[in-house]
Amino acid sequence: SYVLTQPPSVSVAPGMTARVTCGGNNIGGRQPVHWFQQRPGQAPVLVVYDNSDRPSGIPERFSGSTSGNTATLTISWVEVGDEADYYCQVWDSSSDHMVFGGGTKLTVL
Amino acid sequence: QLQLQESGSGLVKPSQTLSLTCAVSGGSISSGGYSWSWIRQPPGKGLEWIGYIYHSGSTYYNPSLKSRVTISVDRSKNQFSLKLSSVTAADTAVYYCARINDYYYYGMDVWGQGTTVTVSS
Repeated sequence: SYVLTQPPSVSVAPGMTARVTCGGNNIGGRQPVHWFQQRPGQAPVLVVYDNSDRPSGIPERFSGSTSGNTATLTISWVEVGDEADYYCQVWDSSSDHMVFGGGTKLTVL
Repeated sequence: QLQLQESGSGLVKPSQTLSLTCAVSGGSISSGGYSWSWIRQPPGKGLEWIGYIYHSGSTYYNPSLKSRVTISVDRSKNQFSLKLSSVTAADTAVYYCARINDYYYYGMDVWGQGTTVTVSS
């Protein structure tokens, strides 16, 4: 089955840029990658879909990209309110199954 | 605006069947371009996909749970359901329902608030 690998944690100072990575075999050439933000005690929220698009209401500070075996969620001008867990997810067309990465805890110092 | 609300038993005994329902409001569960999914999150852990029911009616399940899971839709009640049989303590988790949006390349764009299920005797 397809595996997505995320770093357990990323730390960043307010106002700086945070990058959360998601590794998977040829992830850039497979099905679209989606990213979710989950604040403590809350349900996940879709912040990026189809590798780099944002749903309505998501700030432009959130952006996504893919290259080779890595997808990246970039959060510019990080705010304290961005502190959360972030998950990548793909729909594996070879099996019609969904796969989540293990999640990355973003800490805003 | 579409909203999802999970409901069901919060406490299930080991070996019994967990049953949850996700009520859809603010839109029709039969609207084209949308499918419906269940995801869970054990305490202190990450998200785990359980399965989904495609708008065609086909179902797809996580291989690790497939033998115990059933997802179904009740269009007359505008809701969909999850049944997980032979539960153990490892099935203790927050369970979420979510909408899969074809227009977002199968991104899950609407989520319920989640419901906590504890498996204990």
